[in-house]
Amino acid sequence: DIQMTQSPSSLSASVGDRVTITCRASQDISTYLNWYQQKPGKAPKLLIYAASSLQSGVPSRFSGSGSGTDFTLTISSLQPEDFASYYCQQSYSTPLYTFGQGTKLQIK
Amino acid sequence: QVQLQQWGAGLLKPSETLSLTCAVYGGSLSGYSWTWIRQPPGKGLEWIGEINHSGETNYNPSVKSRVTILVDTSKNQFSLRLSSVTAADTAVYYCVRGQSSWNHWYFDLWGRGTLVTVSS
Repeated sequence: DIQMTQSPSSLSASVGDRVTITCRASQDISTYLNWYQQKPGKAPKLLIYAASSLQSGVPSRFSGSGSGTDFTLTISSLQPEDFASYYCQQSYSTPLYTFGQGTKLQIK
Repeated sequence: QVQLQQWGAGLLKPSETLSLTCAVYGGSLSGYSWTWIRQPPGKGLEWIGEINHSGETNYNPSVKSRVTILVDTSKNQFSLRLSSVTAADTAVYYCVRGQSSWNHWYFDLWGRGTLVTVSS
């Protein structure tokens, strides 16, 4: 299985901050990497697919980059509604999809 | 606007069979993968398996011996059955639509989730 490791596991930041979350794959996955946002008690929501493609309706302050084994999700200017958990997910080894363990973004 | 509505029993005893159904409203089953993903309380996400409109399935090896995913195209529904459940199967179960863009698969539509608790 391809293992996905996110860092940090938790993060405190303030409204307006620029935040970066990292995801590392245990092997080369090209750009087969997706990012999701999950708020407490809700289903995950797709933010970014194919490493850098913004899902329709997602604010442009979210961006993704990377290829191979190292990827980042960046929020350019944190808004109050962005405090949530974030998960990366690889789709290289279809159909055995795996997720990172998550990053919890909290208000400082 | 396509929506997923899921239902099923929320409390099971060990060794029983988990059964969940997901209805797809406002869209077709064709061209997508129909997927089940679970999340134990306070933990991360685990892909369980998927089916397409033709009934072709793929399962996570971690549950492959216990899982069955079926599709009913006449009702625009798909379902999950997981046998011989234990406390380790306690989780929120999501039905999810998988979509592909240039062979990049991603999960773009999620049901609201069903908490299934396994307890004696």
